This record gives sequence, C-alpha cells and structure tokens, in this order.
Amino acid sequence: QVQLQESGPGLVKPSQTLSLTCTVSGDSISSGTYYWTWIRQHPGKGLEWIGYIFYTGSTYYNPSLKSRLTISVDTSKNQFSLKLSSVTAADTAVYYCARMRMITPSEWFDPWGQGTLVTVSS
Amino acid sequence: SSELTQDPAVSVALGQTVRITCQGDGLRSYYASWYQQKPGQAPVLVIYGKNNRPSGIPDRFSGSNSGNTASLIITGAQAEDGADYYCHSRDSSGSHWVFGGGTKLTVL
Repeated sequence: QVQLQESGPGLVKPSQTLSLTCTVSGDSISSGTYYWTWIRQHPGKGLEWIGYIFYTGSTYYNPSLKSRLTISVDTSKNQFSLKLSSVTAADTAVYYCARMRMITPSEWFDPWGQGTLVTVSS
Repeated sequence: SSELTQDPAVSVALGQTVRITCQGDGLRSYYASWYQQKPGQAPVLVIYGKNNRPSGIPDRFSGSNSGNTASLIITGAQAEDGADYYCHSRDSSGSHWVFGGGTKLTVL
C-alpha cells in the first residue's frame, strides 16, 4: 500500500522560507510512472495545485508561485521536497503531497498524504 | 477564482440520486477527476478518467462528461457521503492544473 507522509516545521516566520518533505513508502519515486505533487488548502478554503516533480528532476510549477517555489527530489531517500521563499500570512495552509498519474486526457491524484498545517506568523 | 466552476452547496435526501457538476473550458479536452474530503481529512480520489472508480470506492459513485461539464453522480446517497467534493482538471489553456471551488454535499 502506497503511503505519503509530509514533514516539516508547523510555524514559519514571515519573509522566511517554508520547507517541507514528503516521504514515499510502498512505491519507488524512480519508477517513472508518476509525478510527485504538492497541493495546498488555505483554512476553510478550496484546493490549490502548487507543482510537481518527475524522478528525473523535471518540474512544473503553478505560475502564481513560480518565482518563490522550488521542488526537488531525492531518489536515494524516496523523498521529494518543497521550498517556498518569502512567505507571508497568505501562505498559511495545509500542505499535501500526492502522487499524480497522467494518462492524457486523464490525470488524477492518488494517494494523498495526511497533510501538514503550516502557519506563517511572527 | 477557479477556472472550474462548482455549485457551493447541494443537498440530497437519503437514498436519492444527486449530481454534482463542474464546468470549465478545459473539460472539453481533459477528463475531470473527483475528490471527496471530510472535515479534518485529506481528499480521497473517487472518480477519474472517463468513469473509473479506484479500488474501495462504492459503485454508487459514477462520473459523466458532456461538452464543458463534468458530473459526479451519487446513486442512492448515504449519510456517510456528506462531504466536500472537488473536481480537478486543466485550465482553459490546457497548460495548468486547477481545482474547482468545491461543493458541500448535505445528505438529509
């Protein structure tokens, strides 16, 4: 059974960098079948796609976050990570990692991690 | 704002059928996927592709597609189906991924 688990600080100060890691178990990031994705959900709001990474290191980012965003992969640890710089209170959200499958014209996220709340506050 | 539009709230009587819709130009070229989210939990995939259910999802969940509209249909809604439902697909340019704003389903 594939499982994803987010980890990282729950509190980040404004203007600093938010860093999260997603650890994958039950599947290999290097399999080349899936895209490894970050999604966030602001408190009481809907879902926002952040970006994805392929095991080769190829990435694709939400244009609204691209200037502040870096997603990386460590295949030796079966992990992928998110770094979001210059954070503000607007970046306070639950951050999810998820496995994405793309078989155009079908694309879907399954499974999801449990999510981790990151609060931006001084 | 989202390029996929969903009704904010829908209600259904227990045991009846409900259709939750998602509209957007990207749906003319890409299928939607649908996610169920209960309070305090991560979203769960319920429908993907033309009309596919992951293992473990009851067969009362189904999907349909027509033009720029995708629908999630629950036939014989149960109390445990009360949740938020989100659609996901591409935006109108086909270059970016977006979610609908979500529909809160209440089972009466």
